[in-house]
Amino acid sequence: GNSVTQMEGPVTLSEEAFLTINCTYTATGYPSLFWYVQYPGEGLQLLLKATKADDKGSNKGFEATYRKETTSFHLEKGSVQVSDSAVYFCALRANQAGTALIFGKGTTLSVSS
Amino acid sequence: GAVVSQHPSRVICKSGTSVKIECRSLDFQATTMFWYRQFPKQSLMLMATSNEGSKATYEQGVEKDKFLINHASLTLSTLTVTSAHPEDSSFYICSARESNEQFFGPGTRLTVL
Repeated sequence: GNSVTQMEGPVTLSEEAFLTINCTYTATGYPSLFWYVQYPGEGLQLLLKATKADDKGSNKGFEATYRKETTSFHLEKGSVQVSDSAVYFCALRANQAGTALIFGKGTTLSVSS
Repeated sequence: GAVVSQHPSRVICKSGTSVKIECRSLDFQATTMFWYRQFPKQSLMLMATSNEGSKATYEQGVEKDKFLINHASLTLSTLTVTSAHPEDSSFYICSARESNEQFFGPGTRLTVL
């Protein structure tokens, strides 16, 4: 079945450091890929997405590229801020009507000043 | 973006009692809602897909008689945990689909004593 694997956390960085959170997936066909973020005390929010191979999703300085050949969707940011501290979830959705998102385990990011 | 609310945010109950959790889409109509369960340091596990006016579709391993889902209107889905036991203690998150995107509620922390 479909599944998502993302790197274990927590990830602890200093402000302005480079961030990479690895995510790989297993799926039949061509799923859509997502990164969600959960700030403390809040619900999940869509951060970015990509719907086909080689697409790059970007938002708030974060980027991820849909790599079909390596079945990956790694999240990157060139310079993190304290306000980026949150839990990040990689997810996929099969391209069938009505299907739900399937999530990775989440990676906690802690950024210190 | 669209807003999804959940009520209550936290609930503590005695073993053997039933607990109802409400999920509402506040500014849109959702024909499809999803219920997830999140264990500490684990991913969101899809429990069921709820379609307005029809029976919910449960994921393998989820007891439909224990986790009753009702999606009686386009803005409300409820999850009732019947005869709750300590192992049902978890974080329950609902999600509503609108325009091919899933929006998430803030979650409900259930503690069964």
